[in-house]
Amino acid sequence: QVQLVQSGAEVKKPGASVKVSCKASGYTFTSYAISWVRQAPGQGLEWMGWISAYNGNTNYVQKLQGRVTMTTDTSTSTAYMELRSLRSDDTAVYYCAREFGWYFDLWGRGTLVTVSS
Amino acid sequence: EIVLTQSPGTLSLSPGERGTLSCRASQSVSSSYLAWYQQKPGQAPRLLIYGASSRATGIPDRFSGSGSGTDFTLTISRLEPEDLAVYYCQQYGSSLTWTFGQGTKVEIK
Repeated sequence: QVQLVQSGAEVKKPGASVKVSCKASGYTFTSYAISWVRQAPGQGLEWMGWISAYNGNTNYVQKLQGRVTMTTDTSTSTAYMELRSLRSDDTAVYYCAREFGWYFDLWGRGTLVTVSS
Repeated sequence: EIVLTQSPGTLSLSPGERGTLSCRASQSVSSSYLAWYQQKPGQAPRLLIYGASSRATGIPDRFSGSGSGTDFTLTISRLEPEDLAVYYCQQYGSSLTWTFGQGTKVEIK
C-alpha cells in the first residue's frame, strides 16, 4: 500500500527541538521528493520546505532558514524534519507530502506538535 | 513571491447546487503549476486537480478546474454532503518553492 506514516504527537517546551519522521512504503522512495507542510490550529496550509530523496538536496522557506533541517534515510525510506528553538507559534500539525511533478499527490496523516511551557 | 488569494472565504450551498471557488494570483502562473486540494475536517489534504484542469486519480467528475494566467476556478457541479471541506489552491513557484491560498470553506446548508 502506497502511504506515508508519520510519527506520533509531541509536546515540547519553548526553546526545545522536535524531530518528526515520515516513513514511506509502497513506492520507490528515491524516485520522489518530500515536502513538509504545516497547519496551525484553525489556520491554512504553510509550505515549509522540500528535500530530494534521491540526493538529499533541500530548499527551505525563508522564514524558517536556520531553524529547520530536513533529512532522509534511504535505508529505511524515511524522511525527517527537525525544527529547533521552538516557539508557541510553531504549534501546528506537521504533514509530509510526496511531490509528484509540481504537486503533492500523497500525504501523511499529520503530526501534532504542541509547544507549551 | 506570488500570492494566491481565494474567494469567497466561506461558501454555503445546498446539496445538488453548483459551487464556484476562485483563486487569483498576484502574478501570472503557468497552468501547469496550479493545483487544488480538498481538506475534510480532521483529515490531511487530498490532491483534487493538477495542471489547473486535470482531475487526480479517483476524484469524481463533479469536480472541475479551469483558468489561466492569474485567474483560476474550481467548480463543484452538484454538491454532495461529503464535499464539506476547505479547498486550497496551490502554485509551484520558482526555485523549488510552493505557496497555498488561504482556503475557501464549503458549508452545506
